[in-house]
Amino acid sequence: EAGVVQSPRYKIIEKKQPVAFWCNPISGHNTLYWYLQNLGQGPELLIRYENEEAVDDSQLPKDRFSAERLKGVDSTLKIQPAELGDSAVYLCASSLDRGEAGVGLYNEQFFGPGTRLTVL
Amino acid sequence: GIQVEQSPPDLILQEGANSTLRCNFSDSVNNLQWFHQNPWGQLINLFYIPSGTKQNGRLSATTVATERYSLLYISSSQTTDSGVYFCAVESYNTDKLIFGTGTRLQVFP
Repeated sequence: EAGVVQSPRYKIIEKKQPVAFWCNPISGHNTLYWYLQNLGQGPELLIRYENEEAVDDSQLPKDRFSAERLKGVDSTLKIQPAELGDSAVYLCASSLDRGEAGVGLYNEQFFGPGTRLTVL
Repeated sequence: GIQVEQSPPDLILQEGANSTLRCNFSDSVNNLQWFHQNPWGQLINLFYIPSGTKQNGRLSATTVATERYSLLYISSSQTTDSGVYFCAVESYNTDKLIFGTGTRLQVFP
């Protein structure tokens, strides 16, 4: 079974430029997450999708960040314009189905390899 | 929100040694996962263990949910075990996985 796929793996851009990251979750996983990981820290949730619906985007800086998951499968995270402080690893994860109560094995998350963004 | 603390922050071992990593959390959880982040940054699932004990080869984990802690045991460590080990939890009051600060393990031959 293929894991979570992300591209690109690395991206170097100049500040004020736009950038986009793509994620394809594990087949059959309805829940998709985008995380941000700064150097030396654990990942932090940016946004969570249940199928096409963004159900938790409270940590997403909406002035410059946007995300979409149009057909409930793959997803794109965009930054426009990028700032120096956006340099980090952007991780995508997926889980089978949180269900109504969000409990049980269905909420085990699997992560992709990440995209390492460097803003110059 | 829920607090997650991991100890020790750093661990240096010689190949073949055993180790125990600890994760303390401040609220009841419905999800607890242990991950290994390898030197290339990939987060590898080790255990999904909101309660009980599991074993997988040289690794085993125990979560005592009533006392709000989990332990990860690594036996006969190998150089490929090097990296950062994260504990991540999700409480009944939140819908997000909260990561601890990690334990950085270095195994030398």
